[in-house]
Amino acid sequence: GNSVTQMEGPVTLSEEAFLTINCTYTATGYPSLFWYVQYPGEGLQLLLKATKADDKGSNKGFEATYRKETTSFHLEKGSVQVSDSAVYFCALSVPLLNAGGTSYGKLTFGQGTILTVHP
Amino acid sequence: DGGITQSPKYLFRKEGQNVTLSCEQNLNHDAMYWYRQDPGQGLRLIYYSQIVNDFQKGDIAEGYSVSREKKESFPLTVTSAQKNPTAFYLCASSLRNRNQPQHFGDGTRLSIL
Repeated sequence: GNSVTQMEGPVTLSEEAFLTINCTYTATGYPSLFWYVQYPGEGLQLLLKATKADDKGSNKGFEATYRKETTSFHLEKGSVQVSDSAVYFCALSVPLLNAGGTSYGKLTFGQGTILTVHP
Repeated sequence: DGGITQSPKYLFRKEGQNVTLSCEQNLNHDAMYWYRQDPGQGLRLIYYSQIVNDFQKGDIAEGYSVSREKKESFPLTVTSAQKNPTAFYLCASSLRNRNQPQHFGDGTRLSIL
């Protein structure tokens, strides 16, 4: 089956520190990979994505590279801010075909990593 | 602006009662999803629908029911058969393509009285 494993949190950093949140996956087929962010009391927002090997997704200073050889999609940011405090979810989507032949995907999520950034 | 609207934001259920959570989207997405989130855990898929009048069970469908009579709407009913319904419920929608991200609502927090 498909699964996503994230590094356990919580992660606590000082402002301007370097961030890495590890994510590894197992999947049947060739997945697309996503990072989502959840702020307190809210739903999830897409942070970045990568759809094929060696793709690098980036957004708001965050980036992650799709590494097929290590089945990983680690999230990094060079200098975190207090406003980056949130829960981060790694997720994968594998192609499935419905009766009409259209490809669609179901997301499988990691357990989430809580990030707290102090001034 | 297009988006997903979930209501209510907070909901309380009495023992033996069914409650319905609303989810509406104006993104013209074909696919819609319901997830359950428990503290310290990732999201678990309850039900999903790829097209109007069709839906499939996810990983934890027992004690829940859904309908998809309109493209824009995908309500979730938490039945009395769900013995541990206290959780944060998230609705999402997407285009029918594995490379397209899912867009999420702001969630409904359900508690037991």
